[in-house]
Amino acid sequence: GQQLNQSPQSMFIQEGEDVSMNCTSSSIFNTWLWYKQDPGEGPVLLIALYKAGELTSNGRLTAQFGITRKDSFLNISASIPSDVGIYFCAGLNRDDKIIFGKGTRLHILP
Amino acid sequence: DGGITQSPKYLFRKEGQNVTLSCEQNLNHDAMYWYRQDPGQGLRLIYYSQIVNDFQKGDIAEGYSVSREKKESFPLTVTSAQKNPTAFYLCAISEVLNEKLFFGSGTQLSVL
Repeated sequence: GQQLNQSPQSMFIQEGEDVSMNCTSSSIFNTWLWYKQDPGEGPVLLIALYKAGELTSNGRLTAQFGITRKDSFLNISASIPSDVGIYFCAGLNRDDKIIFGKGTRLHILP
Repeated sequence: DGGITQSPKYLFRKEGQNVTLSCEQNLNHDAMYWYRQDPGQGLRLIYYSQIVNDFQKGDIAEGYSVSREKKESFPLTVTSAQKNPTAFYLCAISEVLNEKLFFGSGTQLSVL
C-alpha cells in the first residue's frame, strides 16, 4: 500500500538546537498534517497544510507543503525539553485516505 | 483533545475474552475512527464511521467489531478472534470524513 517515509526515525539534540524532519512519498498528497505524541497520550495536531508551497508556523514550529506535493517538512526552532516526543506526519491522498508516517522520535540531551 | 473521551485508560484481557473500549465525543463531528498503535509503528486504521448506523472496515479490521448507534459514541470491541490484541488504541474524530483528525488520549490494552 501507499507509504509515507518519515525521517529521521529518531534524533538526539541539545536543548536550544533547531530540529528538521521530513516526510516523503512517491505519491501526491492533497493535505499534510503534523502531529506530536507524548508517551501514553494521543497525538495532538500541530499544523495542517492544504496547498503546495504553503508555509505555516505555530509558535516555534514551521511546516511546509512541498512544491511537488510529495513531501512535507517540519522545523522546530530553539528546542526546549517539552519538545520531546514522537512527531508524526500524515497525508491525505487523492483517494481521500489518510496515511500516517511511522514517526520521528525526538530526544533532548541535558 | 477535551472533546473526545476514551475509557478506560488501561484494560486487561484474559484469554478468550471480548473487551470493549469506549469513545465518546461532544463536538458533534460526523466522522469517528479507531486506530491501533504498536511500539515504534505508525497508526493503523481498524474501523471508521461517517454517519450513525454506518461504518467501514479499515486496514486491520479482523478480530474487531464496532457500532455507531449514536453520533457521539463509537465503541470498539476486541474479540477473542484477535490473537495479538496488546496495543495502544486511539479513537479519533473529524468534522467530515478524512479531514484533519483529533485524537483521544488512548487506551492501553494488555493480555493477562
